[in-house]
Amino acid sequence: AQTVTQSQPEMSVQEAETVTLSCTYDTSENNYYLFWYKQPPSRQMILVIRQEAYKQQNATENRFSVNFQKAAKSFSLKISDSQLGDTAMYFCAFMASEYGNKLVFGAGTILRVKS
Amino acid sequence: GAVVSQHPSRVICKSGTSVKIECRSLDFQATTMFWYRQFPKKSLMLMATSNEGSKATYEQGVEKDKFLINHASLTLSTLTVTSAHPEDSSFYICSAMAVFTDSSGNTIYFGEGSWLTVV
Repeated sequence: AQTVTQSQPEMSVQEAETVTLSCTYDTSENNYYLFWYKQPPSRQMILVIRQEAYKQQNATENRFSVNFQKAAKSFSLKISDSQLGDTAMYFCAFMASEYGNKLVFGAGTILRVKS
Repeated sequence: GAVVSQHPSRVICKSGTSVKIECRSLDFQATTMFWYRQFPKKSLMLMATSNEGSKATYEQGVEKDKFLINHASLTLSTLTVTSAHPEDSSFYICSAMAVFTDSSGNTIYFGEGSWLTVV
């Protein structure tokens, strides 16, 4: 079974600083997708960034970037120049077509950005 | 990114009645949609996979007769909570898979979610 582990239940960071959220996963598949979703207090799930396992290059989206280590099955999210609006629950998720494209979520990390 | 709309955002119903929640993909066709339930400060719990034109696939422990799912078109899936009870009160959220023909691959987008309160 696929599992996703987020070992940091809560984190905080000062505005304008950089923070890294960790995520590890376990799978025997070679082709899959990894995602980071942000869930602010509104509860809307917002796609932050996605990574395809066959791509070695780390995905980036503006201030958000990932460190994808396929051999180590690690997929951390780096948020640069943190903003107050980044305060949210962040979920790491795994998806593979062999498993019906169901998202397997980690437990989530609550990130608080302080002014 | 692609847009998924969920309606209603909040609904209150009386115990014993049924309530329907709609999930629409607005700018793409979705052969597969997913329904989740989320408890406070917890991760999303997958309830079922909704497949266009066929029966939904329910996760273990989810009552299919209580949570009816219909995926009648490529842009609409509905979740009906039948004979609702207070313990069904929760945040329900849907998602849809967008399949891109370019190098983007597959991506899952979420609706805004629906708060259900059963009184």
